[in-house]
Formats: sequence, C-alpha cells, structure tokens
Amino acid sequence: GDSVTQMEGPVTLSEEAFLTINCTYTATGYPSLFWYVQYPGEGLQLLLKATKADDKGSNKGFEATYRKETTSFHLEKGSVQVSDSAVYFCALSDRPQGAQKLVFGQGTRLTINP
Amino acid sequence: GAVVSQHPSRVICKSGTSVKIECRSLDFQATTMFWYRQFPKQSLMLMATSNEGSKATYEQGVEKDKFLINHASLTLSTLTVTSAHPEDSSFYICSASRDRGRTNEKLFFGSGTQLSVL
Repeated sequence: GDSVTQMEGPVTLSEEAFLTINCTYTATGYPSLFWYVQYPGEGLQLLLKATKADDKGSNKGFEATYRKETTSFHLEKGSVQVSDSAVYFCALSDRPQGAQKLVFGQGTRLTINP
Repeated sequence: GAVVSQHPSRVICKSGTSVKIECRSLDFQATTMFWYRQFPKQSLMLMATSNEGSKATYEQGVEKDKFLINHASLTLSTLTVTSAHPEDSSFYICSASRDRGRTNEKLFFGSGTQLSVL
C-alpha cells in the first residue's frame, strides 16, 4: 500500500539556518502531497500542498516540490526562526483533494535555537 | 481559523479499564470526523472515519468492538478504548471536516491524546 517515509528527527538548528526535511513516498497512482505542521499544544495544520508532478507548494517561507522521478517532497526553508519549532508531517492522499485516506509519515520534530 | 478541541490531552489508566476521548468542533458543524493513531516512531495511521448519525467505517486491522466511535452530533465525536491493554498505549488524534472530507483545506485537527495503559 501507499506509504510515506520522513527524515528521522529530532532536528535542531540555529536561527537563520537553512532547513531541509526529507520526505519520500510510495504510491501506486498519482497522489497529492502535503506538509502539515503541529505547533506545541495545537492540532496539525496544513502548511502546503502539491497536487501534480513538478508543482511547488509554498507558505510562510517554506517550499516543497513534487518530484515524481525521485518520489520525493522535501520541505525547505532558507532561514528558520525560533517560531518554526514544531513537528512536521509529510502526507499523501490518493484523491486529488480528498481529506480521507491521508497517509502520514512519522513526523519530524524541529527545534530552532536563538 | 476553525478550532477542534480534543480532551483529555493525556490519560493514564489501568489495564482492563475503558477510556473515552472526546473530539469537539468548536465553531463549525463537522459532518465527518477522522480518528488517527500513532505508535512511537511510527506513522500517524487512520483508524476510522465517522459520519454524523451513521456507523463509523473502520480501516483494515482496527477492531470496531475495541475502539467504539460515536458521532451523535455535528460537533462531537467520541472514541472509547474498551478494556485497554498496554499495547493500546499510543497517541490518538482526531480531525473534523467542514465539507465531508472533500478537501484538506477544510480539515482541522485536535491536539491529540497520549494514552498510557499500565
């Protein structure tokens, strides 16, 4: 079945460092790909998404590009802030927009030090 | 944005007891709610989908008699772990949809419940 594998955390960086969190997936069809973020004490929130190959999702300075040839959707940010400290989940859905049947990775905890 | 409240955030119980977790949509009507489970260092896995007023749909391998889901109103779904055992210790997360699960933009998550069974 479909699956998502994320870079194992935790990841600790200094403020203004460059961030990459790796995510690769296995799917039989053409899934939509997502990054969710969970800030301390809050629920998961949709951070960005891409629905087809070569699409780039972006939000709050974060970017991820849907790479079909490498089955990857790595999350990047050029200069992280302390407020970016959170747990990040990569996910896929085999429906173009559907929330059902979301398949998540295990999450990567990110801590940014001032 | 929309808020989903999940309670309790952490619960410790003895083996053999039942535990109820509540998921409430505070400012919208959620016709569809989802329950997920995450074991340590593993992925967040969908357990079941519940639609208001009807029986929940369980994913393969999830025991419906052990994980009772009730979605009796448009703002509340509950997950009851019956006769809990240590292997049920996990992180449980609910999510609520404003559009019957059609889009991710209208899907909102609770903050999760850490269940520890002694």
